[in-house]
Amino acid sequence: AQSVTQLDSHVSVSEGTPVLLRCNYSSSYSPSLFWYVQHPNKGLQLLLKYTSAATLVKGINGFEAEFKKSETSFHLTKPSAHMSDAAEYFCVVSDGGSQGNLIFGKGTKLSVKP
Amino acid sequence: NAGVTQTPKFRVLKTGQSMTLLCAQDMNHEYMYWYRQDPGMGLRLIHYSVGEGTTAKGEVPDGYNVSRLKKQNFLLGLESAAPSQTSVYFCASGRGFSTDTQYFGPGTRLTVL
Repeated sequence: AQSVTQLDSHVSVSEGTPVLLRCNYSSSYSPSLFWYVQHPNKGLQLLLKYTSAATLVKGINGFEAEFKKSETSFHLTKPSAHMSDAAEYFCVVSDGGSQGNLIFGKGTKLSVKP
Repeated sequence: NAGVTQTPKFRVLKTGQSMTLLCAQDMNHEYMYWYRQDPGMGLRLIHYSVGEGTTAKGEVPDGYNVSRLKKQNFLLGLESAAPSQTSVYFCASGRGFSTDTQYFGPGTRLTVL
């Protein structure tokens, strides 16, 4: 069965410093992996996705993630945090079925200090 | 192009009452999904639909029913609400492939007293 584990429930950074949100996955096949972002009281928006093409994936707002099969990781990074990055981030894996069902991690709340 | 919309945005129910949440999408997607979000739990799939007239159970279907009478609409019903169903409910739509993006609505915050 597929699953994802987000290693930190809360990450706090200062504005202008790097962001690292960690995600490990478990999958019996080559997975499709996603990062979604949820700003306060909003719906979810896709940041980026990995679908077995390039292992370094670039997303919106300067975020990127690297798929590392040997480490079963898909960590999300950004070189310099902005106040507007404060949100909850979800690492997500496709369940491999034909319906495109998604399995969500429990989320990492990112706080950005001025 | 509104994307995915949900009504209502907020609702308070008493235990035992019923209600229906409406989701509508204008992207001509075949697949639609209902999730619930609880603190520290991420999103969990309640029911989904792979096309008009079809529905299927997700991870946490108990206490909910759904219907997809029109391709653009997906309804989630609670026949007899319980406090354990207090949650934020999200609808999503997509093309259904494992590599595809799901597009989410803004959510409905439901409180059951």
